[in-house]
Amino acid sequence: GAVVSQHPSRVICKSGTSVKIECRSLDFQATTMFWYRQFPKQSLMLMATSNEGSKATYEQGVEKDKFLINHASLTLSTLTVTSAHPEDSSFYICSAFNSGNSYEQYFGPGTRLTVT
Amino acid sequence: GQSLEQPSEVTAVEGAIVQINCTYQTSGFYGLSWYQQHDGGAPTFLSYNALDGLEETGRFSSFLSRSDSYGYLLLQELQMKDSASYFCAVPSGYSTLTFGKGTMLLVSP
Repeated sequence: GAVVSQHPSRVICKSGTSVKIECRSLDFQATTMFWYRQFPKQSLMLMATSNEGSKATYEQGVEKDKFLINHASLTLSTLTVTSAHPEDSSFYICSAFNSGNSYEQYFGPGTRLTVT
Repeated sequence: GQSLEQPSEVTAVEGAIVQINCTYQTSGFYGLSWYQQHDGGAPTFLSYNALDGLEETGRFSSFLSRSDSYGYLLLQELQMKDSASYFCAVPSGYSTLTFGKGTMLLVSP
């Protein structure tokens, strides 16, 4: 199956700083990637859809100026959490789908962000 | 919009069979997916049903009834490693997925 990686797996940052999370499709090209946020014991909430070569599409309630998404190549999307606050502490997961099967998404291992 | 309902928790013993139900309300329906997520890990795809009926993949099976807006995941011969959260999901719009709140399965010896 397709492999998606994320880096870093864990990050601790101070309040007010910015953090960049990378999502890579290792053995396939992904024109579209997705960013989710998951709080403990809760479901995955879609934050935004990242489109290669164009602007990301953000879900309602997600601040596009706070969560900057860049999808500069067919294998890399980045999420930057700007001016992080403790309430941004969460598990951030990216995903992509290979070819036309959008119902079968491949997820990265996730990034645990802790803002102190 | 899309909404999915599934039980928050299910418990069972090793070797047993367990069924996790999912009911959904969608503005357009393309199919029902199931994902497994171990604590602290990434969700992994289990199955997808676009048509009514039962799809079997080893110990796991998934069922769909479009007329009832209902599906379930059936896990047989439960093993300790099956303890995880299970999410039903529906495609919504172009390629996005909406997930249910998840069912935590606890398998005990």
